Amino acid sequence: GGIITQTPKFLIGQEGQKLTLKCQQNFNHDTMYWYRQDSGKGLRLIYYSITENDLQKGDLSEGYDASREKKSSFSLTVTSAQKNEMAVFLCASSAGFSDYTFGSGTRLLVI
Amino acid sequence: QEKVQQSPESLIVPEGAMSSLNCTFSNSASQSIWWYQQHPGKGPEALISIFSNGNKKEGRLTVYLNRASLHVSLHIRDSQPSDSAVYLCAVSPNNNNAPRFGAGTKLSVKP
Repeated sequence: GGIITQTPKFLIGQEGQKLTLKCQQNFNHDTMYWYRQDSGKGLRLIYYSITENDLQKGDLSEGYDASREKKSSFSLTVTSAQKNEMAVFLCASSAGFSDYTFGSGTRLLVI
Repeated sequence: QEKVQQSPESLIVPEGAMSSLNCTFSNSASQSIWWYQQHPGKGPEALISIFSNGNKKEGRLTVYLNRASLHVSLHIRDSQPSDSAVYLCAVSPNNNNAPRFGAGTKLSVKP
C-alpha cells in the first residue's frame, strides 16, 4: 500500500511570515489536493492539481500559493501568516476524482 | 459551488444502538457522495460511497441516497465505542471538480 506524508507535522509561525507546507504521495495518483480544517468546521478546498504542473483554485485560495513540480509532490505556501491563526492543513490524493486518501495533516499556529 | 450541510452537529448514542447521520447537498447532478471517518489528530478515512439512488450496505454501515430530495444518510448498526469519531460527508460535483465537504457530525458512543 501507499502513503501520504505531510511535513512538518507542526508549524509555528509569526505574523506576516511566508510558510511552506509539503506533501508527498507514493500511490502514483494523478490528482492532489490541499484542504484547510478549522476547529468545528468542515474541510475547505484551497487548491488542487490534476497533473504535474497543473493548478486549480479552490474556494479558499486567496492568501495561498501552491506548486506541483512533480507528480508525487504538492506544496502549499501561506503567503502572509495571520496573527492568532490556528488550523489543520490536510493534503489528499486520488486516482481521478474518486477514492481519496488523506495525510495526517500539518497543524499551524501563528503567534 | 456545491454546498454540503450535515446534521446533527453532535450525536450521543448508547453502545449497541443505531446511529443515524444526515447530509444534504445542493446539486442533484452531483457525481458521487462519500462518507469519511476522522479520529482526533488523524486525517479522514473513507468509509463508504454511493453513486446511484437507493441504498448500499457494507457490514454495519448502510447509506441511503435520494437525489430528488438532495439527501443522503449514513446509518451505523450496533454502534461501538470505537465508532466514536467525526463523520464527514463529501460530494463530488458532476463537472469533474474536487469534492466539497460538510462540517461533520461528532458521534460519541457511550459504553
